[in-house]
Amino acid sequence: EDQVTQSPEALRLQEGESSSLNCSYTVSGLRGLFWYRQDPGKGPEFLFTLYSAGEEKEKERLKATLTKKESFLHITAPKPEDSATYLCALLAKTSGSRLTFGEGTQLTVNP
Amino acid sequence: GAVVSQHPSRVICKSGTSVKIECRSLDFQATTMFWYRQFPKQSLMLMATSNEGSKATYEQGVEKDKFLINHASLTLSTLTVTSAHPEDSSFYICSATGTGWYEQYFGPGTRLTVT
Repeated sequence: EDQVTQSPEALRLQEGESSSLNCSYTVSGLRGLFWYRQDPGKGPEFLFTLYSAGEEKEKERLKATLTKKESFLHITAPKPEDSATYLCALLAKTSGSRLTFGEGTQLTVNP
Repeated sequence: GAVVSQHPSRVICKSGTSVKIECRSLDFQATTMFWYRQFPKQSLMLMATSNEGSKATYEQGVEKDKFLINHASLTLSTLTVTSAHPEDSSFYICSATGTGWYEQYFGPGTRLTVT
């Protein structure tokens, strides 16, 4: 069974304090791993797609990496506006278009 | 990026009435659309998947007669909650993907409150 586990559940950082969010997964065959950002009361916003181990993607202060067992979302020098819930999801080769989501990491960046 | 809209953003209805939520892809053709439900502090729960012109595929435990989904065009899908009850109150989010895409792009969500 495809599974996604995100850690930690919640993370508090001071502005400028870099850290990483973890997404561990098990899947029979990975088609893609996705990171989304969700603000309270809004739909998820697409951030990155990673397709194979070793791949990295960057956008502003965010960098996503992928291994065969986990993905990391690295946040460098975060700002208060980076506060949100970050969701990891995977698409298995055997699941059609159905995403499997993790429970998310709620990030709070204090000024 | 691909843009998906939802309407309305918030709706309050009385128990026993029906409510329709629209999901539109604004700048791409959505070959597949998805409807999710999200409870407070929980992740997204997939309710159903629909392809344009086809019947929706519902997830186990989702009542297809209660949550009617229509995907009539490549840019529009609707979710109708029939005979709504307070337990149907939730945050409903749609997403869409285009031909050859793997990513899903999400709408802003609809907060449904049934009184």
